[in-house]
Amino acid sequence: QKEVEQNSGPLSVPEGAIASLNCTYSDRGSQSFFWYRQYSGKSPELIMFIYSNGDKEDGRFTAQLNKASQYVSLLIRDSQPSDSATYLCAVRGGGYQKVTFGTGTKLQVIP
Amino acid sequence: GAVVSQHPSRVICKSGTSVKIECRSLDFQATTMFWYRQFPKQSLMLMATSNEGSKATYEQGVEKDKFLINHASLTLSTLTVTSAHPEDSSFYICSARATGQGIDEQFFGPGTRLTVL
Repeated sequence: QKEVEQNSGPLSVPEGAIASLNCTYSDRGSQSFFWYRQYSGKSPELIMFIYSNGDKEDGRFTAQLNKASQYVSLLIRDSQPSDSATYLCAVRGGGYQKVTFGTGTKLQVIP
Repeated sequence: GAVVSQHPSRVICKSGTSVKIECRSLDFQATTMFWYRQFPKQSLMLMATSNEGSKATYEQGVEKDKFLINHASLTLSTLTVTSAHPEDSSFYICSARATGQGIDEQFFGPGTRLTVL
């Protein structure tokens, strides 16, 4: 079982819709959770981080964490074509620094 | 967010030569930096963790004698790919850990695309 799992996609949504990206992780001791956006040929860019159960909102982005289910998600409201990218879920275990990345979900926002 | 730079952004070299890549945290001090490698259509793979003033910690399967890491200051880490071969061609990305005031995040540099002929 992979440590951090994501559906590779592509996930296609129409412009203006809500895009929902999901991620599951295997280490129950994980403490910190991150979502990165990566455009083709570019380096990842941090979008959101979440440390506690529940929802965290930042503009059009909402991160949701459920530690009991070992599940973290990212919602993108009012999706724009510029949101088209690969979204990487990353998880950091307790007590240390090492961050493990999922393989990413490719999002396509159709104009 | 915090800014991390990498230099060079792109390098092409002949097989057998060594290539040095620099990673700098521009507006914060980073006691810990990370080096990743990303092959096309694959996710980031952690190569090593670089701690200022001490030896780097390498992930399993990564040759420490081939990928030399030096973290001589709180703002600079370097990765040297020694005797590069075509299979080392990849996108190398560093990140720096920023901590303090309730945050503990990693910020990525723009990456260095290495092509070994």
